[in-house]
Amino acid sequence: GAGVSQSPSNKVTEKGKDVELRCDPISGHTALYWYRQSLGQGLEFLIYFQGNSAPDKSGLPSDRFSAERTGGSVSTLTIQRTQQEDSAVYLCASRLPGSYNEQFFGPGTRLTVL
Amino acid sequence: KNEVEQSPQNLTAQEGEFITINCSYSVGISALHWLQQHPGGGIVSLFMLSSGKKKHGRLIATINIQEKHSSLHITASHPRDSAVYICAVRSYTGNQFYFGTGTSLTVIP
Repeated sequence: GAGVSQSPSNKVTEKGKDVELRCDPISGHTALYWYRQSLGQGLEFLIYFQGNSAPDKSGLPSDRFSAERTGGSVSTLTIQRTQQEDSAVYLCASRLPGSYNEQFFGPGTRLTVL
Repeated sequence: KNEVEQSPQNLTAQEGEFITINCSYSVGISALHWLQQHPGGGIVSLFMLSSGKKKHGRLIATINIQEKHSSLHITASHPRDSAVYICAVRSYTGNQFYFGTGTSLTVIP
Protein backbone atom coordinates (compact mmCIF):
# COMPACT_ATOMS: atom_id res chain seq x y z
CA GLY A 1 0.00 0.00 0.00
CA ALA A 2 1.99 2.91 -1.26
CA GLY A 3 1.40 6.37 0.03
CA VAL A 4 2.52 9.58 -1.59
CA SER A 5 6.22 9.45 -2.35
CA GLN A 6 8.60 12.29 -3.12
CA SER A 7 12.12 12.41 -4.40
CA PRO A 8 14.73 13.36 -3.59
CA SER A 9 14.27 13.52 0.16
CA ASN A 10 17.03 16.10 0.41
CA LYS A 11 18.52 18.38 -2.22
CA VAL A 12 21.39 20.79 -1.77
CA THR A 13 22.08 23.11 -4.67
CA GLU A 14 23.97 26.26 -5.45
CA LYS A 15 22.29 29.57 -6.01
CA GLY A 16 21.36 30.01 -9.65
CA LYS A 17 20.99 26.33 -10.47
CA ASP A 18 17.72 24.71 -11.54
CA VAL A 19 16.15 21.91 -9.50
CA GLU A 20 13.41 19.38 -10.15
CA LEU A 21 11.35 17.82 -7.40
CA ARG A 22 9.20 14.78 -8.02
CA CYS A 23 5.92 13.61 -6.53
CA ASP A 24 4.24 10.24 -7.03
CA PRO A 25 0.67 10.48 -5.74
CA ILE A 26 -1.46 7.64 -4.51
CA SER A 27 -2.89 5.68 -7.42
CA GLY A 28 -6.35 6.91 -8.33
CA HIS A 29 -5.94 10.28 -6.63
CA THR A 30 -6.80 12.80 -9.28
CA ALA A 31 -6.12 15.86 -7.14
CA LEU A 32 -2.52 16.83 -6.37
CA TYR A 33 -1.14 19.78 -4.42
CA TRP A 34 2.31 21.26 -3.96
CA TYR A 35 3.05 23.19 -0.79
CA ARG A 36 6.11 24.88 0.66
CA GLN A 37 7.04 25.01 4.32
CA SER A 38 9.78 27.46 5.16
CA LEU A 39 11.61 27.34 8.49
CA GLY A 40 9.35 28.66 11.20
CA GLN A 41 6.54 29.35 8.75
CA GLY A 42 3.26 27.69 8.04
CA LEU A 43 2.47 25.71 4.94
CA GLU A 44 2.10 27.76 1.80
CA PHE A 45 -0.01 26.62 -1.14
CA LEU A 46 1.84 26.60 -4.47
CA ILE A 47 -0.18 24.80 -7.14
CA TYR A 48 -3.13 22.44 -7.54
CA PHE A 49 -3.85 19.87 -10.23
CA GLN A 50 -7.23 18.21 -10.71
CA GLY A 51 -7.52 15.60 -13.42
CA ASN A 52 -7.16 17.08 -16.88
CA SER A 53 -8.27 20.55 -15.83
CA ALA A 54 -5.96 23.52 -16.09
CA PRO A 55 -3.91 23.73 -12.90
CA ASP A 56 -4.49 26.42 -10.30
CA LYS A 57 -1.12 28.19 -10.26
CA SER A 58 -2.21 31.08 -8.07
CA GLY A 59 0.19 30.19 -5.26
CA LEU A 60 3.42 30.09 -7.26
CA PRO A 61 5.65 32.83 -5.82
CA SER A 62 7.40 33.78 -9.06
CA ASP A 63 7.82 32.78 -12.70
CA ARG A 64 10.90 30.79 -11.69
CA PHE A 65 8.50 28.18 -10.32
CA SER A 66 6.59 25.81 -12.57
CA ALA A 67 4.99 22.41 -12.27
CA GLU A 68 3.78 19.70 -14.57
CA ARG A 69 1.69 16.64 -14.10
CA THR A 70 2.12 14.01 -16.76
CA GLY A 71 -0.59 11.48 -17.51
CA GLY A 72 -2.58 12.61 -14.52
CA SER A 73 -0.13 10.92 -12.16
CA VAL A 74 3.47 11.93 -11.46
CA SER A 75 4.14 15.60 -10.93
CA THR A 76 7.36 17.57 -11.16
CA LEU A 77 7.96 20.94 -9.53
CA THR A 78 10.76 22.89 -11.19
CA ILE A 79 12.52 25.86 -9.67
CA GLN A 80 14.76 27.76 -12.07
CA ARG A 81 17.68 29.95 -11.03
CA THR A 82 17.26 29.02 -7.38
CA GLN A 83 17.66 31.67 -4.70
CA GLN A 84 18.51 31.22 -1.04
CA GLU A 85 14.98 32.18 -0.06
CA ASP A 86 13.76 29.11 -1.96
CA SER A 87 15.22 26.93 0.80
CA ALA A 88 12.31 25.09 2.37
CA VAL A 89 10.58 21.75 2.59
CA TYR A 90 8.44 21.15 -0.46
CA LEU A 91 5.46 18.92 0.24
CA CYS A 92 3.17 17.14 -2.14
CA ALA A 93 -0.28 15.88 -1.24
CA SER A 94 -2.92 13.96 -3.15
CA ARG A 95 -6.56 13.13 -2.61
CA LEU A 96 -9.54 11.62 -4.31
CA PRO A 97 -11.78 14.08 -6.17
CA GLY A 98 -14.46 15.87 -4.20
CA SER A 99 -14.32 18.62 -1.62
CA TYR A 100 -14.70 16.34 1.36
CA ASN A 101 -11.85 13.94 0.81
CA GLU A 102 -8.79 14.28 3.00
CA GLN A 103 -5.34 14.94 1.65
CA PHE A 104 -2.50 12.48 2.04
CA PHE A 105 0.90 14.10 2.35
CA GLY A 106 4.23 12.91 1.08
CA PRO A 107 7.35 13.05 3.26
CA GLY A 108 8.61 16.19 1.55
CA THR A 109 11.80 17.26 -0.15
CA ARG A 110 14.10 19.45 1.91
CA LEU A 111 15.72 21.94 -0.45
CA THR A 112 18.77 23.89 0.64
CA VAL A 113 20.12 26.60 -1.63
CA LEU A 114 23.64 27.66 -0.75
CA LYS B 1 -3.23 39.09 7.16
CA ASN B 2 -3.56 35.39 8.00
CA GLU B 3 -6.69 33.63 6.92
CA VAL B 4 -6.16 31.03 9.66
CA GLU B 5 -5.04 31.84 13.18
CA GLN B 6 -4.08 29.24 15.77
CA SER B 7 -3.53 29.49 19.47
CA PRO B 8 -1.48 28.88 21.40
CA GLN B 9 1.69 28.84 19.32
CA ASN B 10 3.47 26.71 21.87
CA LEU B 11 2.07 24.48 24.57
CA THR B 12 3.75 22.38 27.23
CA ALA B 13 1.67 19.96 29.26
CA GLN B 14 2.17 17.26 31.84
CA GLU B 15 1.29 13.74 30.83
CA GLY B 16 -2.39 13.10 31.47
CA GLU B 17 -3.54 16.69 31.05
CA PHE B 18 -6.47 17.69 28.86
CA ILE B 19 -5.28 19.85 25.97
CA THR B 20 -7.13 22.29 23.74
CA ILE B 21 -5.80 23.93 20.59
CA ASN B 22 -7.87 26.62 18.93
CA CYS B 23 -8.26 27.67 15.32
CA SER B 24 -10.09 30.69 13.93
CA TYR B 25 -10.49 31.46 10.25
CA SER B 26 -11.74 34.38 8.23
CA VAL B 27 -12.74 32.87 4.89
CA GLY B 28 -15.74 30.85 3.83
CA ILE B 29 -14.79 27.21 3.84
CA SER B 30 -15.93 23.89 2.47
CA ALA B 31 -13.94 21.90 5.02
CA LEU B 32 -11.47 22.27 7.88
CA HIS B 33 -8.61 19.88 8.53
CA TRP B 34 -6.48 19.17 11.56
CA LEU B 35 -3.02 17.88 10.69
CA GLN B 36 -0.21 16.47 12.83
CA GLN B 37 3.47 16.87 12.04
CA HIS B 38 6.11 15.10 14.11
CA PRO B 39 9.66 16.51 14.22
CA GLY B 40 11.48 15.44 11.09
CA GLY B 41 8.40 13.55 10.01
CA GLY B 42 5.66 13.84 7.51
CA ILE B 43 2.22 15.31 7.89
CA VAL B 44 -0.72 13.16 8.83
CA SER B 45 -4.33 14.17 8.51
CA LEU B 46 -6.16 13.73 11.81
CA PHE B 47 -9.61 15.08 11.03
CA MET B 48 -11.62 16.66 8.29
CA LEU B 49 -14.69 18.58 9.43
CA SER B 50 -17.45 20.49 7.75
CA SER B 51 -19.75 20.62 10.78
CA GLY B 52 -20.22 19.35 14.30
CA LYS B 53 -17.78 17.11 16.08
CA LYS B 54 -15.59 14.10 15.38
CA LYS B 55 -13.79 11.76 17.77
CA HIS B 56 -10.93 9.39 17.17
CA GLY B 57 -9.46 7.71 20.19
CA ARG B 58 -8.27 10.41 22.57
CA LEU B 59 -8.66 13.14 19.97
CA ILE B 60 -11.78 15.22 19.53
CA ALA B 61 -12.33 17.96 16.97
CA THR B 62 -15.19 20.41 16.90
CA ILE B 63 -16.20 23.16 14.54
CA ASN B 64 -18.60 26.08 14.82
CA ILE B 65 -19.31 27.31 11.31
CA GLN B 66 -21.18 30.43 12.45
CA GLU B 67 -18.30 31.53 14.66
CA LYS B 68 -15.63 30.34 12.19
CA HIS B 69 -13.85 28.50 14.94
CA SER B 70 -12.58 24.99 15.55
CA SER B 71 -10.94 23.28 18.49
CA LEU B 72 -8.80 20.18 18.76
CA HIS B 73 -8.87 18.44 22.13
CA ILE B 74 -6.54 15.75 23.39
CA THR B 75 -7.69 13.83 26.46
CA ALA B 76 -5.21 12.07 28.76
CA SER B 77 -2.24 13.48 26.85
CA HIS B 78 0.84 11.34 26.35
CA PRO B 79 4.44 12.18 25.40
CA ARG B 80 3.88 10.57 22.01
CA ASP B 81 1.32 13.30 21.32
CA SER B 82 4.22 15.77 21.16
CA ALA B 83 4.08 17.24 17.67
CA VAL B 84 3.04 20.31 15.73
CA TYR B 85 -0.70 20.49 15.14
CA ILE B 86 -1.81 22.44 12.10
CA CYS B 87 -5.24 23.77 11.24
CA ALA B 88 -6.04 24.06 7.54
CA VAL B 89 -9.14 25.24 5.71
CA ARG B 90 -10.24 24.79 2.14
CA SER B 91 -11.87 27.85 0.68
CA TYR B 92 -15.26 27.14 -0.85
CA THR B 93 -14.51 29.66 -3.60
CA GLY B 94 -11.59 27.75 -5.03
CA ASN B 95 -9.03 25.06 -4.65
CA GLN B 96 -6.77 26.79 -2.18
CA PHE B 97 -5.96 25.56 1.26
CA TYR B 98 -4.97 28.05 3.93
CA PHE B 99 -2.88 26.92 6.85
CA GLY B 100 -2.30 28.11 10.38
CA THR B 101 1.29 28.39 11.53
CA GLY B 102 0.81 25.45 13.84
CA THR B 103 0.80 24.77 17.56
CA SER B 104 3.88 23.06 18.92
CA LEU B 105 2.84 20.68 21.69
CA THR B 106 5.26 19.10 24.13
CA VAL B 107 3.92 16.58 26.64
CA ILE B 108 6.26 15.93 29.53
CA PRO B 109 6.26 12.53 31.26
